[in-house]
Amino acid sequence: GNSVTQMEGPVTLSEEAFLTINCTYTATGYPSLFWYVQYPGEGLQLLLKATKADDKGSNKGFEATYRKETTSFHLEKGSVQVSDSAVYFCAFRPYNAGKSTFGDGTTLTVKP
Amino acid sequence: GAVVSQHPSRVICKSGTSVKIECRSLDFQATTMFWYRQFPKKSLMLMATSNEGSKATYEQGVEKDKFLINHASLTLSTLTVTSAHPEDSSFYICSASGDFNSPLHFGNGTRLTVT
Repeated sequence: GNSVTQMEGPVTLSEEAFLTINCTYTATGYPSLFWYVQYPGEGLQLLLKATKADDKGSNKGFEATYRKETTSFHLEKGSVQVSDSAVYFCAFRPYNAGKSTFGDGTTLTVKP
Repeated sequence: GAVVSQHPSRVICKSGTSVKIECRSLDFQATTMFWYRQFPKKSLMLMATSNEGSKATYEQGVEKDKFLINHASLTLSTLTVTSAHPEDSSFYICSASGDFNSPLHFGNGTRLTVT
């Protein structure tokens, strides 16, 4: 069945460190892929997306590339800030289907 | 960008009472809305899929008589937690999208505490 596996947290980094959060998925067809971010006490916000193979989504310094051959969508940022501390969710949504499948979330804490 | 408004953000109720949570898409029409429950430090658990003008589709293990969902218009879905109990205390989040190939837009969630 459909599933998303993302790197377990928590992840703790110092400011300006490089961030990678791994995400792999199992799905049939050609899903759209997403990263969402959740700040404390809030709902989720779309961080970036990619809708086809080799697409790179980017926003606020974060990037992720849709790798169909490895069924992955790893999130990266070259230099994290304290304000990036949040929970990050990888998700996919099959083409022309309603439900999205979410990973378990990865908590990131960035220390000054 | 697309905005989803969820209300209330926090509610405290007594055991046995019912609570209604509203989810509105403010600047787009949402044919489908989703309701999730999130436990502390856990991922989202999809409770049900709400389609405008039809009955909601509930996920396995979710009691449809306890969590009543109504999607009366293309911009409003409601979740009513009936006869609430302390174990229903949780963070409830709704989401919506304009079509199947668009990202989901989330409300800010409702923190329900049942005393």
